[in-house]
Amino acid sequence: GAVVSQHPSWVICKSGTSVKIECRSLDFQATTMFWYRQFPKQSLMLMATSNEGSKATYEQGVEKDKFLINHASLTLSTLTVTSAHPEDSSFYICSARVTSKGYTFGSGTRLTVV
Amino acid sequence: AQKVTQAQTEISVVEKEDVTLDCVYETRDTTYYLFWYKQPPSGELVFLIRRNSFDEQNEISGRYSWNFQKSTSSFNFTITASQVVDSAVYFCALISRGSGDKLTFGTGTRLAVRP
Repeated sequence: GAVVSQHPSWVICKSGTSVKIECRSLDFQATTMFWYRQFPKQSLMLMATSNEGSKATYEQGVEKDKFLINHASLTLSTLTVTSAHPEDSSFYICSARVTSKGYTFGSGTRLTVV
Repeated sequence: AQKVTQAQTEISVVEKEDVTLDCVYETRDTTYYLFWYKQPPSGELVFLIRRNSFDEQNEISGRYSWNFQKSTSSFNFTITASQVVDSAVYFCALISRGSGDKLTFGTGTRLAVRP
């Protein structure tokens, strides 16, 4: 149980376009979702925390106008990278808090901006 | 503030060797949780273990074992008789009461198990 489905697994987009990443909790309600970014050979860095029905809380240094987070329902949170540039190329992972074992993570989205 | 340090960036062992991955943490809270995750090349994070600050019992799960020492703020992970499939990046992570729900990850240790 406690599965988070993340799509797409990978995406290539042109510089200047926007990309939406979805995370769905399949068998539980995720009041809070966390979005992480991971550059190659680096650790996971928390970008923002999204709460269902309210505005996301962004970590210091993360541009909220560039990384739009929507958490409109208890089972869906989305991250939209707007006007993507090559430096936004990274691995993005979502996560939800699950009481029994802490956290469950999506499978990640590898974004390449060309 | 909380912090997790994984001093070993990369480790390479030969199959069947035992290997220990180190994790040292910092937090001012007395209530906290420690985690280990495995990240294979495909990228997904695989949950391995969660330990709360009030439970210092060591744990063994098959070839995996964990040594939690509050006195040294360490939560080390040992793989016995390593296998090629153990090759991955391993992350230690911490959440404490004062940090809300935010997990803090260490920088990870890349383990390569050679046949």
